[in-house]
Amino acid sequence: GAVVSQHPSRVICKSGTSVKIECRSLDFQATTMFWYRQFPKQSLMLMATSNEGSKATYEQGVEKDKFLINHASLTLSTLTVTSAHPEDSSFYICSARGVMDTEAFFGQGTRLTVV
Amino acid sequence: AQKITQTQPGMFVQEKEAVTLDCTYDTSDQSYGLFWYKQPSSGEMIFLIYQGSYDEQNATEGRYSLNFQKARKSANLVISASQLGDSAMYFCAMREGRDSSYKLIFGSGTRLLVRP
Repeated sequence: GAVVSQHPSRVICKSGTSVKIECRSLDFQATTMFWYRQFPKQSLMLMATSNEGSKATYEQGVEKDKFLINHASLTLSTLTVTSAHPEDSSFYICSARGVMDTEAFFGQGTRLTVV
Repeated sequence: AQKITQTQPGMFVQEKEAVTLDCTYDTSDQSYGLFWYKQPSSGEMIFLIYQGSYDEQNATEGRYSLNFQKARKSANLVISASQLGDSAMYFCAMREGRDSSYKLIFGSGTRLLVRP
């Protein structure tokens, strides 16, 4: 299957700083990428849909100024958590739509801890 | 209303036996897709199997099969010949419609533990 690479896998940052997470499709062009957040022992909640060359579409309740998404190319989307606070600590995972509608591939996820 | 329901928070199965993980869904779309993912403790989401709403045959992928009952709106995952490495969280997900957004809605998950 297709490969989606997400970096970093773990990050610890201080309150008030910003953290950037990268999501790359390594062997296919992903016109659409998705960012999810997962709290411990809970399911994945979609945060936003990232389309190459256009503004991201955020789900209800997700602060677009807090979670900045950029999809500058067909193989790279980034999520920046701005002015991070401890409540932003979570597991963030991206996914990319494949060529076929039957495909949805996920990155390895990023565990963010804000101290 | 929940779109994807997984009623089993946790399941046990003996190694080498088969296990069924339940998933029911709710949609008014005629065209939709159903997915199952495995999430080990490392956190990655591993794609297991896909069933399209218009597929007449139940999907199968190796030891995984999807028991698709459209009228009941259920898409249960069957894992045959369970292995210790199958211990993980399992998520059922649905894609509605055929537009380009391709959003997945996930169930709450089932934690499977395979006993030796």
